Formats: sequence, C-alpha cells, structure tokens
Amino acid sequence: TQLLEQSPQFLSIQEGENLTVYCNSSSVFSSLQWYRQEPGEGPVLLVTVVTGGEVKKLKRLTFQFGDARKDSSLHITAAQTGDTGLYLCGTGANSKLTFGKGITLSVRP
Amino acid sequence: GAGVSQSPSNKVTEKGKDVELRCDPISGHTALYWYRQSLGQGLEFLIYFQGNSAPDKSGLPSDRFSAERTGGSVSTLTIQRTQQEDSAVYLCASSLNARTLGETQYFGPGTRLLVL
Repeated sequence: TQLLEQSPQFLSIQEGENLTVYCNSSSVFSSLQWYRQEPGEGPVLLVTVVTGGEVKKLKRLTFQFGDARKDSSLHITAAQTGDTGLYLCGTGANSKLTFGKGITLSVRP
Repeated sequence: GAGVSQSPSNKVTEKGKDVELRCDPISGHTALYWYRQSLGQGLEFLIYFQGNSAPDKSGLPSDRFSAERTGGSVSTLTIQRTQQEDSAVYLCASSLNARTLGETQYFGPGTRLLVL
C-alpha cells in the first residue's frame, strides 16, 4: 500500500492570505486526486492529476503534480472562509483509494 | 439525480451489539466502496464491489466486519460484536466503473458510529 504524507497537518490563516499544502510519497503515483471534505459531509473530488509536471487550476486553487510524480501541491490564492475544510490527497490502484491523513484548513474572517 | 445516501446518519450502540449501516449508491453506478474515517487513522479503504464480481475485502479489519450488496445496488455494512475502537465515520462511495483508473468516486455523507 502506498503511503501518502500530507503537510502541514493543521493550518489556520486569515482571509485573503495565500497558502500552499503538500502531498508526498516515496513511490510514484499512477494518478493523484485532491478532495475537500466539509464537516458532516463526505469528501468531494476537486481534481485528478495524471501527468508529471501537470498544473491544473480551479478558480483560486492551483494543483501541481511533481515531475517525478511523487509529490503534489495545492496552492490557494486569497483564501476565503468557504475554503475551510479537510483537504485530502488520494491515489489508487484498481480504484481502491489510499488517502493521506489530510490537512485541516481554517480560514478566519 | 440524487447522490449517494447513507443511513442512519448517526448511530450510538453499546459494546458487543451488532450494527448495520446502509448505503444507496448513485443509480447506474456499478462500483460501490466502503471506507472508515477515524481521528487517528484517517480515511481507510474497507471493501469494494464491482458489478457481479466477487468483492475485494482486503481492507476489512477483522472478521467482525462484513458487507453485502444486493441486486447490484444497495449495500449493507455489518459490524458484529462492536468494540469501542469501531467508533468512526463510515463512508460509502460509488463510481461508474471501478476498473477505470482514476474513476471519480462520489461519497455519501457518512454514518457516525459511536460505540459506548
């Protein structure tokens, strides 16, 4: 089973600030997915990255996949209170997803 | 169309009792997954069903855990003789086809289980 490490574990920032969080593994990802989970809800898929060096943007969120496909980052520009939640990265073989432990983001008004 | 639904949303039980958790996947999705989310362990895969194939039970933590999927739709996760360490959120997800790499999984809101 591929182990995913996410960092930082917790992050509390002021609205309007920028932030970057990370997902790393010692082995190569076949593909990597980022999810956001809000309290009382299940995770919701934000993006899937497949190709090394790939960059995808989703409004103020920018996802980058490392060239070697062993790491990924999520950058949020001008964070809003609505960005608060648990951010999970996940990868899977045969669609059995393995997740990191997540990053708890709190955006203060 | 409706998303994945789970019931009950919350369940409190006493140690040693059996519990059944239900999942209704998105209509037409052939793949169904169960995960467990706890504070210390994060989100862990338990079991998945793909069509009529034998389920992949490799993530079930003990033989007290079992799941079935009737008619290729609704699934029930059963935990027998519950223990306090079974307390967690149990999440169900479904996707169109588990055999497609990177296939999007849609999660339900989960069942919060508390074993006293």
